[in-house]
Amino acid sequence: QKEVEQNSGPLSVPEGAIASLNCTYSDRGSQSFFWYRQYSGKSPELIMFIYSNGDKEDGRFTAQLNKASQYVSLLIRDSQPSDSATYLCAVGGGFKTIFGAGTRLFVKA
Amino acid sequence: DTEVTQTPKHLVMGMTNKKSLKCEQHMGHRAMYWYKQKAKKPPELMFVYSYEKLSINESVPSRFSPECPNSSLLNLHLHALQPEDSALYLCASSQEWTSLSSYNEQFFGPGTRLTVL
Repeated sequence: QKEVEQNSGPLSVPEGAIASLNCTYSDRGSQSFFWYRQYSGKSPELIMFIYSNGDKEDGRFTAQLNKASQYVSLLIRDSQPSDSATYLCAVGGGFKTIFGAGTRLFVKA
Repeated sequence: DTEVTQTPKHLVMGMTNKKSLKCEQHMGHRAMYWYKQKAKKPPELMFVYSYEKLSINESVPSRFSPECPNSSLLNLHLHALQPEDSALYLCASSQEWTSLSSYNEQFFGPGTRLTVL
C-alpha cells in the first residue's frame, strides 16, 4: 500500500514568518511530487511540482525533495493571511498520484 | 484557455434520481480524471480516461457511470445514489497519463458539491 503522510496540523504561524510543511512517502519508485493548496470548500490548486532532488523556488514558495529520505517539503516565505488553507502533498509514480491528507495552515495577522 | 470547468456547482438529488455531472477542458490534455472528496479527506481517485478510453476504475460502485464523449468532455452519470455518496466531486486533467513524471501534473476543476437526500 503506497502511502503519503502529512501532519494534519493545524500549523499556525504569524504573518511574515516562514511556514514549513512536510510530507513523507513510502514508495521509493515515486518520480513526481506536487503541492496543492485547497481553500475550504474549493478545489485543489497546483502551486508547485518537483521531480529532482534539491530545491525548487517559485516566488515565495520553495519545494525541497530528498529522495534518499523519501521526504518532500514546502516552504512559504513571508506568509500572508491569504495563505491560510490546507496544503496537500501528492506523489506520483507509475500510473497513479497518491494524495496525502493535507496540513491545515493558519497565518495569523 | 488553462482551466477545467465543471457543471453544476451544486446538486441536490434524491436516491431515486438520475443526474449527470459534466467536465470540460480545452488545454489539449489527453487524460481526464474523476475524484471524490469528503470533508477533511484527500481526493480519492474514481476513474481515469486516457485518450477517451477508460483506463482505471477504482472499484467504484456501478451507480456511478463515467463517459468520455470526446477528448474535451467527461461526464459522470449518477443513478440510485446513497446519502453516503454526498461529497465534492472533482474533475481533473493532465497532459498525458503515463508513468513518466513530466506529464502527471493534474489541474482540477472547481468541483460539484453533491448532496444525496
